[in-house]
Amino acid sequence: QQQVKQSPQSLIVQKGGISIINCAYENTAFDYFPWYQQFPGKGPALLIAIRPDVSEKKEGRFTISFNKSAKQFSLHIMDSQPGDSATYFCAASISGYALNFGKGTSLLVTP
Amino acid sequence: DAGVIQSPRHEVTEMGQEVTLRCKPISGHDYLFWYRQTMMRGLELLIYFNNNVPIDDSGMPEDRFSAKMPNASFSTLKIQPSEPRDSAVYFCASCRPPGELFFGEGSRLTVL
Repeated sequence: QQQVKQSPQSLIVQKGGISIINCAYENTAFDYFPWYQQFPGKGPALLIAIRPDVSEKKEGRFTISFNKSAKQFSLHIMDSQPGDSATYFCAASISGYALNFGKGTSLLVTP
Repeated sequence: DAGVIQSPRHEVTEMGQEVTLRCKPISGHDYLFWYRQTMMRGLELLIYFNNNVPIDDSGMPEDRFSAKMPNASFSTLKIQPSEPRDSAVYFCASCRPPGELFFGEGSRLTVL
């Protein structure tokens, strides 16, 4: 049973546009919500993470928005660049252990 | 730091053969995780260790799968006998408690 549901499965955005990926979870015990970025042939790498005591976290062009009551969180990539083309995974866990991953979103940023 | 090192990077084998995947975690990381990635199921947690002790193996698909961590710098994931449905990319990851997972580059397994 997928504990974290991610959408969309794929996304095409023009250079300079905003990429938005959404995730939803059911387990209210989850308290750590990271996003991982994966390039072809590589392992996933941590992009940004948030804990539920804040509603938003921003690092450069990447922002996580978190809605605890709705049990949803999303990744926004501002000014998307072709180098951002990758697969993005949301995840959730209790205290940072044993991450449960969404199925991933394949992002293509066109020039 | 060399990062998490996995071997082999690619493995092609025939159904029924034994497969052993290897992982060297980052030095000083107390936790080690094995994940499996497929298009259909995404990234699935198979098992994880803390200080070389298995903590949760509920994600291991069946008895054909086994994992060991004989010391802090080495872990294996074994499939015996292998089946075509085991074809996937297997990732090893490690971390300090708790926090950012550092993944290896994966072992791509193809079972014919």
